[in-house]
Amino acid sequence: DIQLTQSPSFLSASVGDRVTITCRASQGISNYLAWYQQKPGKAPKLLIYAASTLQSGVPSRFSGSGSGTEFTLAINSLQPEDFATYYCHQFGGYPLTFGGGTKVEIK
Amino acid sequence: EVQLVESGGGLVQPGGSLRLSCAASGITFSDHYMDWVRQAPGKGLEWVGRSRNKANSYTIEYAASVKGRFIISRDDSKNSVYLQMNSLKTEDTAVYYCGRDFSGQCSGGGCAYMDVWGKGTTVTVSS
Repeated sequence: DIQLTQSPSFLSASVGDRVTITCRASQGISNYLAWYQQKPGKAPKLLIYAASTLQSGVPSRFSGSGSGTEFTLAINSLQPEDFATYYCHQFGGYPLTFGGGTKVEIK
Repeated sequence: EVQLVESGGGLVQPGGSLRLSCAASGITFSDHYMDWVRQAPGKGLEWVGRSRNKANSYTIEYAASVKGRFIISRDDSKNSVYLQMNSLKTEDTAVYYCGRDFSGQCSGGGCAYMDVWGKGTTVTVSS
């Protein structure tokens, strides 16, 4: 199985900060990686696919990068509505897997 | 409007069965792969399984944790995908989401993602 290790698992930040979340795959997955945002009691929302492509309607302060085994989600100028949990998700091999999540909280 | 609506969740005893449904609207359902993902209380997301489309022979993939107990099926005429859950265990307690799974070609090469999700249905396995 392809393991996805997200770091950090918890992040405390202020409005306006730039934050980055890392997702490491246990083996190469090319660019078959997506990022989601989830708020309490809600379904996940797609932010980024193919490692770096911004989903339609997602603010441009979100960006993704990486390929192979190391990926990054960056949020520039954190907004109040960005405080949530973020997950990476690999489609490079079965079983499909998610990272453990990164909770972004208000400092 | 693109929408997925799950139903069928509830309370079931260990060893019991439950069938979840996911009804789609606003999409050409038959073109798409459909996935099930679950989330145990206070935990992260766990992929459960994938139903490919007709063009890919409706083949199914499962997570090891549910293989042999859960069965995914679909009825394109009803724009629906189903999750038959048998031999349920307490650790199957979770919110179950269905999602549209795009797997194909993007600019720059192949890609895959889940871009449309239902709101989820809650399954509780307890005596």
